[in-house]
Amino acid sequence: GAVVSQHPSRVICKSGTSVKIECRSLDFQATTMFWYRQFPKQSLMLMATSNEGSKATYEQGVEKDKFLINHASLTLSTLTVTSAHPEDSSFYICSASPQTSGGARAQFFGPGTRLTVL
Amino acid sequence: QKEVEQDPGPLSVPEGAIVSLNCTYSNSAFQYFMWYRQYSRKGPELLMYTYSSGNKEDGRFTAQVDKSSKYISLFIRDSQPSDSATYLCAMSPRGNNRLAFGKGNQVVVIP
Repeated sequence: GAVVSQHPSRVICKSGTSVKIECRSLDFQATTMFWYRQFPKQSLMLMATSNEGSKATYEQGVEKDKFLINHASLTLSTLTVTSAHPEDSSFYICSASPQTSGGARAQFFGPGTRLTVL
Repeated sequence: QKEVEQDPGPLSVPEGAIVSLNCTYSNSAFQYFMWYRQYSRKGPELLMYTYSSGNKEDGRFTAQVDKSSKYISLFIRDSQPSDSATYLCAMSPRGNNRLAFGKGNQVVVIP
């Protein structure tokens, strides 16, 4: 159980184009999904927290107009990198927390999306 | 001071040895503690999930939490080459899903 998928796994695009990444929880409903960015040999950097049916909460320094997040259902969140530039090239990973009551919940991660902007 | 401190390593051990990893933290509100394993170019995989102080064992893995010392550990017994990965500790306070991560510790198990 607790499987999270991401699509696409790898994308190469030209500078100036927009790229959409999908994150799906396959066998559970996720009230909250998270989007991270990871540079080589570094830990995960939280970009934003996405709650179903409401606006995402962005971390300081993350441009909300550049990284558009939509959490349309309890099993799907999307991240759109708008007008991508080479500096946006990175490994993007989503995670999801199951919808349960009380306490904090573990996050289950997707396999990641490698974005390369030429 | 970072919320979570983790020595990035790398840590090399011979096959069959015990791997010992640890993290320290500064936020006394943390109550949920996790260890993730991440292979190169993959998403992190949840290994252990513990609440408050104590030990938890799952197969070859043992997680320990000492809240009084703000110190958590992960032990891997009878290490295998397939255990070679980066191990991340993560933690959160009660009622908050947001995780604070360590930097990750790269482990290499040599056959």
